[in-house]
Amino acid sequence: QKEVEQNSGPLSVPEGAIASLNCTYSDRGSQSFFWYRQYSGKSPELIMFIYSNGDKEDGRFTAQLNKASQYVSLLIRDSQPSDSATYLCAVKPSSYKLIFGSGTRLLVRP
Amino acid sequence: GAGVSQTPSNKVTEKGKYVELRCDPISGHTALYWYRQSLGQGPEFLIYFQGTGAADDSGLPNDRFFAVRPEGSVSTLKIQRTERGDSAVYLCASSLTLDNEQFFGPGTRLTVL
Repeated sequence: QKEVEQNSGPLSVPEGAIASLNCTYSDRGSQSFFWYRQYSGKSPELIMFIYSNGDKEDGRFTAQLNKASQYVSLLIRDSQPSDSATYLCAVKPSSYKLIFGSGTRLLVRP
Repeated sequence: GAGVSQTPSNKVTEKGKYVELRCDPISGHTALYWYRQSLGQGPEFLIYFQGTGAADDSGLPNDRFFAVRPEGSVSTLKIQRTERGDSAVYLCASSLTLDNEQFFGPGTRLTVL
């Protein structure tokens, strides 16, 4: 079992819809959770982080964390074609390194 | 302000050669991390530094890989006797402290022929 699992996609949504991206992790001791966006040929860009159970909103993005279920999600409201990218879920377990999933490719259709 | 910078952006080398990849973190960031990303995968941790010392080098794949950060700022990842399997994008990240969020540089794409 991988430490951080994501559906590789692609997840295809129409412009203006809500995109829901999911991630599960195996280390129950994990404390911090991150979502990075990566455009093709570019490096990961931090878009959200969450430390506590519940929801955290920032503009069109909402991160959701459920530690009991070991589940993190990212919602993107009013999806735009410019949101088309690979979204990487990363988990920080007891050490300080990040453990990444393989990413979910999101396609937003105009 | 300036982000993390990495040089070179691309490096092509021949099998068996030695390469050095450089990372310049965000000014004031004490923690520095190296990751490696292969096509279709997420970044994979290699090593991180707090100040000048390597706090965790458990991700280095073998003893051909070595990294230094002699003055607590710029870091160099060194790969000896390169192999074709070393071809990947090498990413550097920095954070204000170990507890803070990590910000990535643009990466160095290494190709070993």
